[in-house]
Amino acid sequence: AQTVTQSQPEMSVQEAETVTLSCTYDTSESDYYLFWYKQPPSRQMILVIRQEAYKQQNATENRFSVNFQKAAKSFSLKISDSQLGDAAMYFCAYRSPWGTSGSRLTFGEGTQLTVNP
Amino acid sequence: GAVVSQHPSRVICKSGTSVKIECRSLDFQATTMFWYRQFPKQSLMLMATSNEGSKATYEQGVEKDKFLINHASLTLSTLTVTSAHPEDSSFYICSATSGVQETQYFGPGTRLLVL
Repeated sequence: AQTVTQSQPEMSVQEAETVTLSCTYDTSESDYYLFWYKQPPSRQMILVIRQEAYKQQNATENRFSVNFQKAAKSFSLKISDSQLGDAAMYFCAYRSPWGTSGSRLTFGEGTQLTVNP
Repeated sequence: GAVVSQHPSRVICKSGTSVKIECRSLDFQATTMFWYRQFPKQSLMLMATSNEGSKATYEQGVEKDKFLINHASLTLSTLTVTSAHPEDSSFYICSATSGVQETQYFGPGTRLLVL
C-alpha cells in the first residue's frame, strides 16, 4: 500500500518570503499522480498543483512550484512571495492511476502553514 | 475548476436520529464520488468510494449499515448517517471525479454535531 509522509506538522514564513513544504511517499508503482491540496480555515479543499510521475518537468502554477524527485520519492512544494491568504493546512496526496480504486487519494498528515505579516 | 456542492453545510441533530448529506457535481458528470471524514487538525480519512449505479466500496472499519451511501445519478451522491451518536460528530467531505485519470474536486464539507 502506498503511504504519504509530511514530516513538518507546522511551518511559518514571513510575508513575501519563500517557504518549502516537504512530502515523501512510498510506492512500488512506476506511474502515478501527486497532488498538493490546500485547506484554509473555511475547510474547503483546494487543488494547488498536480504532477504526473511520467513527466520529468516540475509542475508550476504561478507562485507555486514543486520539486519532484522520483528516485528519492520526494515531492516538495515551494511557495514564493508568500501572501497572507496562503495560510492554510497543506496536504500532499498520492494517486494510483490504475484499477477500480484508481481515483483514490492517499493523503499525508498535513502541514499547517502560518504566514506572518 | 469543477464545482462540487454539499448540503447542508452544518447540521445539529439529536442522538438516535438519521441525517442525510448530499453531494452534487454542478458542472460535470461524476462517475466516482468519495466520502471522507475529518477530525480537527487531522488528515482526511476515506470512508467509502461510490461509482454511479453500483454499490459503494467501504474502507476497513467503516460500518456499512451506519453510513449508507447512494450514488443514483452522475451528479448526486448521498451519505446517510443512521442512528447518529455523539461519536459520529465530525466534518464530512465529499469529492468527485469524472474519470480515473481526472482530478478529484472537493465539496465544502458538512459539519455534523450530534447531541
